[in-house]
Amino acid sequence: EEQLVQSGAEVKKPGESLKISCKGSEHTFTFNWIGWVRQMPGKGLEWMGITYPSSSESRYSPSFQGQVTISADKSIRTAYLQWSSLKASDTAMYYCVTLPSFTWRVDNWGQGTLVTVSS
Amino acid sequence: QSALTQPASVSGSPGQSITISCTGTSSDIGGYSYVSWYQQHPGKAPKLIIYDVSNRPSGVSNRFSGSKSGNTASLTISGLQAEDEADYYCNSYRTSSTLVFGGGTKLTVL
Repeated sequence: EEQLVQSGAEVKKPGESLKISCKGSEHTFTFNWIGWVRQMPGKGLEWMGITYPSSSESRYSPSFQGQVTISADKSIRTAYLQWSSLKASDTAMYYCVTLPSFTWRVDNWGQGTLVTVSS
Repeated sequence: QSALTQPASVSGSPGQSITISCTGTSSDIGGYSYVSWYQQHPGKAPKLIIYDVSNRPSGVSNRFSGSKSGNTASLTISGLQAEDEADYYCNSYRTSSTLVFGGGTKLTVL
């Protein structure tokens, strides 16, 4: 199981921007799709969207379309999740995940990045 | 988008079997064989335990099994053990290249 290493916890104010990252191996970024999952405090898992490192295309869950941007830079083996204007309701744990290309199973999870948005 | 429907909680005694259901629609569970199940212990990242309806990843106990009928998928855990106490989530591919999760089920081992 290849390791996904996510950036550290963040504390931000409403309206601020944020970009969190997820670093993996060359193998990970060659043979996998990279996705993001949100888990709000005490709540369940929510699929946010996916990026395909080989094509740089990203697709979003309808609930998150227009709210976040998912991207990846295959040359440095890093995926990103970013917000242009955070809200308090964005407070959550965010997991970077991998899916073997052309499958729909989430077979590997990062350690999670806790984002806290508070004035 | 609406989540898949799971019972909020289930419980069982050590050694017993339990089944967790996950109900969707013909646009997700009923239309594709891409149902997965995940186990999450408190404070930990989830772990894949079943994929493609009924397949187990290497290293996952054969006490875990999955199935599907129509728009409903099921996870069965046999021979319950104390370590199985956790939250369990289903997910499925949904039309238009997205995934959707269930709301989660808290399993209590009595």
